[in-house]
Amino acid sequence: DTAVSQTPKYLVTQMGNDKSIKCEQNLGHDTMYWYKQDSKKFLKIMFSYNNKELIINETVPNRFSPKSPDKAHLNLHINSLELGDSAVYFCASSPALGAATTEAFFGQGTRLTVV
Amino acid sequence: DAKTTQPTSMDCAEGRAANLPCNHSTISGNEYVYWYRQIHSQGPQYIIHGLKNNETNEMASLIITEDRKSSTLILPHATLRDTAVYYCIVRVPDTGNQFYFGTGTSLTVIP
Repeated sequence: DTAVSQTPKYLVTQMGNDKSIKCEQNLGHDTMYWYKQDSKKFLKIMFSYNNKELIINETVPNRFSPKSPDKAHLNLHINSLELGDSAVYFCASSPALGAATTEAFFGQGTRLTVV
Repeated sequence: DAKTTQPTSMDCAEGRAANLPCNHSTISGNEYVYWYRQIHSQGPQYIIHGLKNNETNEMASLIITEDRKSSTLILPHATLRDTAVYYCIVRVPDTGNQFYFGTGTSLTVIP
């Protein structure tokens, strides 16, 4: 049973389109995240949500809009896709905000290619 | 978050211990040291974490110096499946719980 699952695993789309990536965790965690890993393999946090509330938004263009319908889900919607959005997007979750000793669990990633 | 410095790449012979160093000279008293790894095309995987004392689990050992300015991740008997990028992260516990990843060390285990 996958702890953090993302769909789709691969996504190829044209510039200008709008697309969504879904993420679900079955660990009962309070905090969920989206990370972006670019072609240089640098892994950078985009958003952090705690109990459905946005905690961190790391200078991400407002074309990116996370949505958390409930604690177990954090979806990422991207409007007007650009070539530079091509990357691997990872969803993650961890037990509790502010808990120093907790680790984060990552999904397997969604490889987005904008053509 | 405290900045970490790791070597860009390392090799290790299969069956030998892999010792991956990390410098975190500006670490503060309440920051923990975490290690993650990312095997090609997969999501990052938690390995181990610690505050002051050395830690060991089924995957690895973490040795933290007494002044806490550096640490070493030890994979006691490296296998080919341990080939991955290893990230050392120092984490502030009260700023949103996020993990900031650096460039990591690319470990290649050689047969």
